[in-house]
Amino acid sequence: AQTVTQSQPEMSVQEAETVTLSCTYDTSESDYYLFWYKQPPSRQMILVIRQEAYKQQNATENRFSVNFQKAAKSFSLKISDSQLGDAAMYFCAYNAGNMLTFGGGTRLMVKP
Amino acid sequence: EAGVAQSPRYKIIEKRQSVAFWCNPISGHATLYWYQQILGQGPKLLIQFQNNGVVDDSQLPKDRFSAERLKGVDSTLKIQPAKLEDSAVYLCASGEEHEMFGELFFGEGSRLTVL
Repeated sequence: AQTVTQSQPEMSVQEAETVTLSCTYDTSESDYYLFWYKQPPSRQMILVIRQEAYKQQNATENRFSVNFQKAAKSFSLKISDSQLGDAAMYFCAYNAGNMLTFGGGTRLMVKP
Repeated sequence: EAGVAQSPRYKIIEKRQSVAFWCNPISGHATLYWYQQILGQGPKLLIQFQNNGVVDDSQLPKDRFSAERLKGVDSTLKIQPAKLEDSAVYLCASGEEHEMFGELFFGEGSRLTVL
């Protein structure tokens, strides 16, 4: 079974600074997709960024970028120029077929 | 565009009682998912529908949980009888197609407290 591990239960960042959230996963598949979802306190989860495993180029969406290391099975999320609205739970997720598997989440706090 | 609608938002019941949650996905979305999110944990998939057929229900505790998606649109998730450990937020999500890279759109969830 695939597992997704987020080793940082909580992270804190100063407004306008950069923060990196870690994620590792375990899989024997070669073709899969990785995602970062954001869950603000209202609980409606939204997609932040996604990465296709066969693409070597790291995905970027405005202030959000990933560092995808396929051999190490690592998929970290970097948030640049952090804003107060970035405060939320962030979940790393993996999909190799039918099922989207989530990690345990990292709570990000942004200090003004 | 309307998002994924869920109701009720909050429910408190005694153990051994029953409860039902309703989900209306985004119009035209073929796939629908029910996730259980226990406080402090990531969401765990309970069941996945493609139109009105079940794709994956391997993690659904079938002795007490049931779900249906009539006519391939709305879905209901029922718990009977409820246990204390069922206290969680139940998230419904929908997607356009059964694709690995597809984005899921989530509702705000239904928070269940079992006393």
